[in-house]
Amino acid sequence: DSGVTQTPKHLITATGQRVTLRCSPRSGDLSVYWYQQSLDQGLQFLIQYYNGEERAKGNILERFSAQQFPDLHSELNLSSLELGDSALYFCASSPSSTRKSYEQYFGPGTRLTVT
Amino acid sequence: SQKIEQNSEALNIQEGKTATLTCNYTNYSPAYLQWYRQDPGRGPVFLLLIRENEKEKRKERLKVTFDTTLKQSLFHITASQPADSATYLCALPDAGGYQKVTFGTGTKLQVIP
Repeated sequence: DSGVTQTPKHLITATGQRVTLRCSPRSGDLSVYWYQQSLDQGLQFLIQYYNGEERAKGNILERFSAQQFPDLHSELNLSSLELGDSALYFCASSPSSTRKSYEQYFGPGTRLTVT
Repeated sequence: SQKIEQNSEALNIQEGKTATLTCNYTNYSPAYLQWYRQDPGRGPVFLLLIRENEKEKRKERLKVTFDTTLKQSLFHITASQPADSATYLCALPDAGGYQKVTFGTGTKLQVIP
């Protein structure tokens, strides 16, 4: 158990809908990352937050948005869903950058199926 | 961002042998390199981090080397076991960034009893 929690575990929804994925980082970790992994594909970085502020952005679609709240949990919002958005979505957290500890701890993922 | 190459073909080895996986990168030299293990349908698990000034790092049956001249890291699992079967990913930070990393596509290892 990495200490990172993600809800829900599974999500089935229709095209055009909007969903919200939730992530709670490990206690004390300030950074949260979101990744997308499609079937048999690599991990695609979406976005990183550090202590509530956006730190880095990957190839995240305009239909997708995220935020990190004061309690450090994060939400990833996916809207106008398309079939191609079906994937595993992972959240990861890492300690403060001042500790020079760069390993990431991944949650169990949310499997999104768009029908 | 960094371009990372890992052997996309699966690696099959006999139980008890040493598995060696390769990670090559083509752009700038990273401050560090990480290795993760991923089982099907699960999140990656951090294994080892090696910094640019380290040539080798060990943890139990795992060994990682880092050759900044060759722009390559090797990941070794000695005395491999069927439970080591998984996909292994290397990850490197972007230039100037220390936390955001780019993951390779991974190499699938199958240890045959």
